Amino acid sequence: DAGITQSPRHKVTETGTPVTLRCHQTENHRYMYWYRQDPGHGLRLIHYSYGVKDTDKGEVSDGYSVSRSKTEDFLLTLESATSSQTSVYFCAINQGATGQETQYFGPGTRLLVL
Amino acid sequence: SQQGEEDPQALSIQEGENATMNCSYKTSINNLQWYRQNSGRGLVHLILIRSNEREKHSGRLRVTLDTSKKSSSLLITASRAADTASYFCATPNQAGTALIFGKGTTLSVSS
Repeated sequence: DAGITQSPRHKVTETGTPVTLRCHQTENHRYMYWYRQDPGHGLRLIHYSYGVKDTDKGEVSDGYSVSRSKTEDFLLTLESATSSQTSVYFCAINQGATGQETQYFGPGTRLLVL
Repeated sequence: SQQGEEDPQALSIQEGENATMNCSYKTSINNLQWYRQNSGRGLVHLILIRSNEREKHSGRLRVTLDTSKKSSSLLITASRAADTASYFCATPNQAGTALIFGKGTTLSVSS
């Protein structure tokens, strides 16, 4: 599993509250990713990072922000959670020097926004 | 978008049978990857095939890549109940900085 952990693993929150999900890796990989997975949509890329303080948007980035102040941690923040952000969130790392090689995924965070 | 698209969306077979799922993509790629996801878990990498390869094997898995048709297939031979899972293909985005995943094929293997 390339030493990837996510916290929390489950969270229930209310509409309008801020939520931060944490991804932690132990192997110093350059690339880290946040995906969301919803029925009928597969896995969609939210944001990714290619180094400390270097991030870029994915296909579904609206309503999300990210930060990477240390190589090992990649944070995903929902500034003001909405019910449409109820989903399962997966963090991943890419083991290559670019983002094209094998990815390893964390166990996921189930988020319910009421 | 370079998103791969898997076909069929769902597949049900008996133990011992072979399972074949396909992936089509839109633009030229460096490599194509297949991942498996068991219910409620994260995705697990199965196999990576590069654009200059036509076929690759790993245990009971056989992957083919046809760059002229922009398609790949994943064959699981002698399926087992434990192969029940969703299978996704993934291709690099145009910038080569991330993988884009298809919506997956859900395989059900019954004993």
